[in-house]
Amino acid sequence: EVQVVESGGGLVQPGGSLRLSCVASGFTFSSYHMNWVRQAPGKGLAWVSRVNSDGSSATYADFVKGRFTVSRDNAKNTLYLQMNSLSVEDTAVYFCASMVYGWGQGTLVTVSS
Amino acid sequence: DIQMTQSPSSLSASVGDRVTITCRASQSIGSSVSWYQQKPGKAPKLLMRLASRLQTGVPSRFSGSGSGTDFSLTISSLQPEDFATYYCQQTDSTPITFGQGTRLDIK
Repeated sequence: EVQVVESGGGLVQPGGSLRLSCVASGFTFSSYHMNWVRQAPGKGLAWVSRVNSDGSSATYADFVKGRFTVSRDNAKNTLYLQMNSLSVEDTAVYFCASMVYGWGQGTLVTVSS
Repeated sequence: DIQMTQSPSSLSASVGDRVTITCRASQSIGSSVSWYQQKPGKAPKLLMRLASRLQTGVPSRFSGSGSGTDFSLTISSLQPEDFATYYCQQTDSTPITFGQGTRLDIK
């Protein structure tokens, strides 16, 4: 059974940082691209970032470029998202997503003073 | 960026109805479309990849079609558990983009 579990969300002040983690199981994690997708309250889905299977290449949405960094540890079946210079507009549920196997339940990031 | 235009934005239907949701890409993307179902407070559930490939465990009343720029998701006979929001997504190139969603509710 495929499982994807995110953690690391919480309340952070504007300008602060947060690191999200995602542990995946039930598929060969190291063989697949992995993504982060977010959903602001009451809004639609917005892709944030993708990292290739070996972690050597990453792409980002323009609205996070230069502030967020995606990485992975294939030995631990874990995906990360380092988020810096957070603003209130980054408030959202962040989903770890395999576009082949499915998504986690999400972790809520709230940016507020 | 590839824009995904999804329609309708909302839809009211009854149990047993056949419904179709469409998505149009701003450029040709082959069959690189996925469809998701999302219920309130839950993560999106992947229903279909590559336009028409049903994910394991998804009921056969769901079907997908299309290629190039025009795609559709059809539910052949609505069940109570199908009332949700549906999203299309293109995976042809980054940035990956989504349609704006179709809210399907009970008439």
